[in-house]
Amino acid sequence: NAGVTQTPKFRVLKTGQSMTLLCAQDMNHEYMYWYRQDPGMGLRLIHYSVGEGTTAKGEVPDGYNVSRLKKQNFLLGLESAAPSQTSVYFCARPTTGPYEQYFGPGTRLTVT
Amino acid sequence: LAKTTQPISMDSYEGQEVNITCSHNNIATNDYITWYQQFPSQGPRFIIQGYKTKVTNEVASLFIPADRKSSTLSLPRVSLSDTAVYYCLVGVEYGNNRLAFGKGNQVVVIP
Repeated sequence: NAGVTQTPKFRVLKTGQSMTLLCAQDMNHEYMYWYRQDPGMGLRLIHYSVGEGTTAKGEVPDGYNVSRLKKQNFLLGLESAAPSQTSVYFCARPTTGPYEQYFGPGTRLTVT
Repeated sequence: LAKTTQPISMDSYEGQEVNITCSHNNIATNDYITWYQQFPSQGPRFIIQGYKTKVTNEVASLFIPADRKSSTLSLPRVSLSDTAVYYCLVGVEYGNNRLAFGKGNQVVVIP
């Protein structure tokens, strides 16, 4: 998954702590996405961006903020982590068209 | 976005052909059908996409009947490394190109 890198790979937070997940793409795509995946479930879109300096809410945006200051990077922030945010977070960018997205390796986050 | 229905899980023996079905009765005229594969602890990976009839690539074949209300992903001669969750997706959400993932179909390949 060299096309999309995510930092960190794992993290454990206590309730109320904050953190930022970093996603970096190796291309210059306008679109970038943050999804979350809970056990036994498919992915759900948290926030997305259609270009540098722009962000928008997805399906499950509450409790998260995002920023896209540079086209290559898309940051996902948790201001006050809650146990319900325990999940695996995936970042993605398009490849050849809207249906084909390239996913990063994921960040496994546990909130205790 | 059209809702999709897949079996929850299925087992198959190594070397067999595996056919995974997906139902999408409310598919729209402009919707494409896309399949993703997800291995444990990895992000989903695009496998194949089609609009109608049959599409084949080096990994799989996708069969879509004329009414497009279902589709079948065919994996030839599976190996243990094909054990994964397979997602059928239909369409993208207008404006953000969101992919709508369901729960997928867990395929377990048995030696």
